[in-house]
Amino acid sequence: DIVMTQSPDSLAVSLGERATINCKSSQSLLFSSNYKNYLAWYQQKPGQPPKLLIYWASARESGVPDRFSGSGSGTDFTLTISSLQAEDVAVYYCQQYHSIPFTFGPGTKVDLK
Amino acid sequence: QVQLQQSGPRLVKPSQTLSLTCAISGDSVSSNNATWNWIRQSPSRGLEWLGRTYYRSKWYTDYAVSVKSRMTINPDTSKNQFSLQLSSLTPEDSAAYYCARVPGVSGWHGFDFWGQGTLVTVSS
Repeated sequence: DIVMTQSPDSLAVSLGERATINCKSSQSLLFSSNYKNYLAWYQQKPGQPPKLLIYWASARESGVPDRFSGSGSGTDFTLTISSLQAEDVAVYYCQQYHSIPFTFGPGTKVDLK
Repeated sequence: QVQLQQSGPRLVKPSQTLSLTCAISGDSVSSNNATWNWIRQSPSRGLEWLGRTYYRSKWYTDYAVSVKSRMTINPDTSKNQFSLQLSSLTPEDSAAYYCARVPGVSGWHGFDFWGQGTLVTVSS
């Protein structure tokens, strides 16, 4: 199974400041045949299911604000919230869909400073 | 707009079988352009993908090794839904269970629509 790790476990950011979350996979998520990275990012608020933010490592899901961006390739990926808003307080997960079983990172909790 | 509506019990006794259903609106369980998944979440195990079913001229299912011997996912085309059955329950199976869709013919994409979740407790 592909193991996903995230850092930090949690972070506190002031309103309007940047938040950066890192995700690492135990093997490359890049398919050489199409040059796509099989990685997604989710946001989860209490009592709700995860919400898809980013897929293919950097493609923003429809309706997701452009302050959310994804980057990285191979085994190292980053989710950036460029200007944190109060409604962005949540836990964020990365997930690989390169191979079955699909696996998730342990999550990063983002709070307001 | 796709909606997934889950139903099923919230309290199940050890050794019994959990049965959950996910009713689909806005898409079809028989679609050639989606796969239908079960995922669970617990404090100890985090988010854990359990399995999927999909139709590509015939029905396919895939399961996580951790539950393969105890789990069955069945599509129900007459009701446009799919179900999960997990047998021989232990307290370690206590979790929030979600159904979710993956769009696209390949099945390789993020989970774009989720059910509301069912918090299941395994206890006598």
